[in-house]
Amino acid sequence: GDSVTQMEGPVTLSEEAFLTINCTYTATGYPSLFWYVQYPGEGLQLLLKATKADDKGSNKGFEATYRKETTSFHLEKGSVQVSDSAVYFCALKRSNFGNEKLTFGTGTRLTIIP
Amino acid sequence: GAGVSQSPRYKVAKRGQDVALRCDPISGHVSLFWYQQALGQGPEFLTYFQNEAQLDKSGLPSDRFFAERPEGSVSTLKIQRTQQEDSAVYLCASSSGTEAFFGQGTRLTVV
Repeated sequence: GDSVTQMEGPVTLSEEAFLTINCTYTATGYPSLFWYVQYPGEGLQLLLKATKADDKGSNKGFEATYRKETTSFHLEKGSVQVSDSAVYFCALKRSNFGNEKLTFGTGTRLTIIP
Repeated sequence: GAGVSQSPRYKVAKRGQDVALRCDPISGHVSLFWYQQALGQGPEFLTYFQNEAQLDKSGLPSDRFFAERPEGSVSTLKIQRTQQEDSAVYLCASSSGTEAFFGQGTRLTVV
């Protein structure tokens, strides 16, 4: 079945450091890939997405590129801020009409220290 | 409303008690999902509705779990005879087809 494997946390970085959170997936066909973020006390929010191979999703300075050859969708940011402290989830969705359910990784807790 | 609303936010139930969790999706969203998120884990799919039709319930862990969406809007997830392993955050999401929007969840603690 479908699965998402995420870099285990927690991850602690200093402000302005470079961030990479690894994500690899297993799925048949050509899934869409997502990064969701959960800030303290809030619900899951879509951060970025990519729907086909070589697509790059980007938002709020975060980027991730859909790599079909390595089945990966690693999240990167060049200079993190304290406000980026949150839990990040990688997810996939198979392109089945009529069912858009998401398969999530276990999440990576990121803490940025000033 | 402005977003997906779930109630209650917190629920403590004694083992064996029945509980009902409510989800108010974004108005007009056809698709509605329920997920279960155990502590330190990612959300796990439970069930999916398209309007009032429950098209996929493959993720429901046992026959104690039941979900409905009778008028294609508000949905209720019911858990009968709760067990300690049911303790988790239950997330509801709705979608119009492009992006899923999540509620803040209901944290269920079974004691």
